[in-house]
Amino acid sequence: GQSLEQPSEVTAVEGAIVQINCTYQTSGFYGLSWYQQHDGGAPTFLSYNALDGLEETGRFSSFLSRSDSYGYLLLQELQMKDSASYFCAGLNSGNTPLVFGKGTRLSVIA
Amino acid sequence: GAGVSQTPSNKVTEKGKYVELRCDPISGHTALYWYRQSLGQGPEFLIYFQGTGAADDSGLPNDRFFAVRPEGSVSTLKIQRTERGDSAVYLCASSPSGQETQYFGPGTRLLVL
Repeated sequence: GQSLEQPSEVTAVEGAIVQINCTYQTSGFYGLSWYQQHDGGAPTFLSYNALDGLEETGRFSSFLSRSDSYGYLLLQELQMKDSASYFCAGLNSGNTPLVFGKGTRLSVIA
Repeated sequence: GAGVSQTPSNKVTEKGKYVELRCDPISGHTALYWYRQSLGQGPEFLIYFQGTGAADDSGLPNDRFFAVRPEGSVSTLKIQRTERGDSAVYLCASSPSGQETQYFGPGTRLLVL
């Protein structure tokens, strides 16, 4: 099975950069996804890493190190609307369900 | 519609009653997933369909929970003899063919009194 650990809360200032870390313990690990969820809303896909390295999508980037069983989500030029919960989720293969961490609640302050 | 839809959006029931939750996936998506999310937690996997068949139902907590997808599109999650501990948001997600990107619906908020 899988387990993923991430900080429960992070606070950052508008316009700044924040990094949300995720460590995982898993057998048969295939890749790491990141999802954003606003209060009362549905999780929405942000990024996916199957290979080591950095994936960049606009203001959001995601990194994976398979040797360290570690990844992170980097949010740049923070905006108030980025206040939400962010979940890392592990995938065992291309056709299996995601195993989610407990989520990191990001608060962006002025 | 463009996205995954779920009905009802909210459901209040009494302990011991039977409930059905419906999910309409994105048209053409063969993979469909059910998750359950409690407050302050990440979504927890329940069951996964590939087409009409349940490819993985290892997340169903007990035999009171059952799901079907008879025509490979709409799915229904059925909960018998509901208990207060079943109260949660039930999320449905679909993907084109079981790929890593899953598209979630808004969820059904179930409250068992």
